[in-house]
Amino acid sequence: EDKVVQSPLSLVVHEGDTVTLNCSYEVTNFRSLLWYKQEKKAPTFLFMLTSSGIEKKSGRLSSILDKKELFSILNITATQTGDSAIYLCASYNNNDMRFGAGTRLTVKP
Amino acid sequence: NAGVTQTPKFQVLKTGQSMTLQCAQDMNHNSMYWYRQDPGMGLRLIYYSASEGTTDKGEVPNGYNVSRLNKREFSLRLESAAPSQTSVYFCASWRGAYEKLFFGSGTQLSVL
Repeated sequence: EDKVVQSPLSLVVHEGDTVTLNCSYEVTNFRSLLWYKQEKKAPTFLFMLTSSGIEKKSGRLSSILDKKELFSILNITATQTGDSAIYLCASYNNNDMRFGAGTRLTVKP
Repeated sequence: NAGVTQTPKFQVLKTGQSMTLQCAQDMNHNSMYWYRQDPGMGLRLIYYSASEGTTDKGEVPNGYNVSRLNKREFSLRLESAAPSQTSVYFCASWRGAYEKLFFGSGTQLSVL
């Protein structure tokens, strides 16, 4: 059965720290992996990754995919309190989009 | 451009009652999805519709039915609500591979 596993499930850091969030997947007919940030309501899109080894960056956030080892990481540098959220990864396999349980990140001042 | 419109935003039901959650998108997307989100469980796929006229079960379909009324609308029905269906429900639509999901604003459902 297809599955997406995120770790850690929760993380508490202080402002200025760098964090790495992990996402591993076992998905048949894998096509792409997506990262979302969820604060109070619906998830908002961060990145889509389809090719191994190509880093996607947006400000202090970056992400990379390893299709051989079946995982992706999301890095956040110089964290701010506004980065506090649930970070979700999802895999697309030609039919549906499956999500992991999410990592709850708390950034303390 | 409204995107994905989901109604209602909040609903309280008694055990055994039925209700339909409505979802409509105006982006001409082929694929639409219904997810539920429980604390610590991420988003779990209930049903999806890859195109108008087709629907398929996701990870947690029991207790739900769906209708893809046309390309715009995808509704989720609870025939006999149970407390285990207390959750936040999200509808999403998608153009297809290599595109991002667009989410509705969610429905907070409580079943007493």
